[in-house]
Amino acid sequence: AQSVAQPEDQVNVAEGNPLTVKCTYSVSGNPYLFWYVQYPNRGLQFLLKYITGDNLVKGSYGFEAEFNKSQTSFHLKKPSALVSDSALYFCAVREGNFNKFYFGSGTKLNVKP
Amino acid sequence: SQTIHQWPATLVQPVGSPLSLECTVEGTSNPNLYWYRQAAGRGLQLLFYSVGIGQISSEVPQNLSASRPQDRQFILSSKKLLLSDSGFYLCAWSVHLVSTEAFFGQGTRLTVV
Repeated sequence: AQSVAQPEDQVNVAEGNPLTVKCTYSVSGNPYLFWYVQYPNRGLQFLLKYITGDNLVKGSYGFEAEFNKSQTSFHLKKPSALVSDSALYFCAVREGNFNKFYFGSGTKLNVKP
Repeated sequence: SQTIHQWPATLVQPVGSPLSLECTVEGTSNPNLYWYRQAAGRGLQLLFYSVGIGQISSEVPQNLSASRPQDRQFILSSKKLLLSDSGFYLCAWSVHLVSTEAFFGQGTRLTVV
């Protein structure tokens, strides 16, 4: 079965500092991995995905993610955090055979001025 | 371009009353459709998904049901709401290609009183 884990409930970072939000995955077969962001009382917005190819994936709003097959990780990163990046972040994996998406428990990112 | 509409945005219903949440997708055909529930602003629980008209898969046994009467319409229902049905309900769609992401509606905040 496919699953993802987000080990941190909350990440605190100062504005201008780099940020990392962690995600590890467990899949049978090729991993199709995604990152989403959610602002309060809103739906999820897609940020980026890893399908194949380069291990460093670039996405929206300056975010990027590093795929590491040996560590089964897909960490979200940004070189310089903004206060407006404060939100809830979800890692997800897509199960190919049945078209289902499984989401991690979410990590709340707090960026302080 | 494709859009997803989900309504209502908020709903307050008494215990024992029926429920009907509607989701429609525009700009695509034969999408996969999903209903998720998010409790307490954290993790997403997949409730139902559908790969075609009349095809509904339930992920967890519960007080809810789903239907897909038309290709791009997905309805979440209950005959009698429970307090535990309160939460944030999200509809999403994707295409059948496994390398593609899901797109979410803006969600419905359901409070059962």
